[in-house]
Amino acid sequence: DGGITQSPKYLFRKEGQNVTLSCEQNLNHDAMYWYRQDPGQGLRLIYYSQIVNDFQKGDIAEGYSVSREKKESFPLTVTSAQKNPTAFYLCASRWGSNTGELFFGEGSRLTVL
Amino acid sequence: GENVEQHPSTLSVQEGDSAVIKCTYSDSASNYFPWYKQELGKRPQLIIDIRSNVGEKKDQRIAVTLNKTAKHFSLHITETQPEDSAVYFCAASGVYSGGGADGLTFGKGTHLIIQP
Repeated sequence: DGGITQSPKYLFRKEGQNVTLSCEQNLNHDAMYWYRQDPGQGLRLIYYSQIVNDFQKGDIAEGYSVSREKKESFPLTVTSAQKNPTAFYLCASRWGSNTGELFFGEGSRLTVL
Repeated sequence: GENVEQHPSTLSVQEGDSAVIKCTYSDSASNYFPWYKQELGKRPQLIIDIRSNVGEKKDQRIAVTLNKTAKHFSLHITETQPEDSAVYFCAASGVYSGGGADGLTFGKGTHLIIQP
């Protein structure tokens, strides 16, 4: 069954701790994305990657880091430098074309205590 | 970079009536305009999209129109049903301010409420 899997679904962390969100896809998509969703703010792009071993900053990259060592995996680390990390995080992927459908994972909700 | 404005933020309509959601974009180079539907607690899913060489596209009760000159596009839902209640996001593709040649910029979303 093809798709995008995000884990964990819910995550709690203390201030000052780094946390890594997992994103795996078996759709053979070249491009992968991380979005942050806050109430009333829509979806804002954090990082994206169009090819293995390469990634680009989106609109709100500060306080986040990513890696793309394998085509199917694009983990996101929320570092202690992120001022307001509590949010809903969505991973997505699509074929390399910028006019292709974006497929989303089910999201990870991070709460900083 | 691209900037997408979406209106209204909340829309309440009677079941059976039509709903219209409007978006404007800033980058004239944008050439792809999808609409996503997100039901409560679920992932966003594509419902319809339009490319810049087309002015209108229809799929059953859903239609999207694009005016490239004015840089705006709209989602039209006719004969609304309870299952249409959700948050709808418009988006535009374009060149990111970071220099990448790929990306979607989303509007802030419209919460559509279908009143029985």
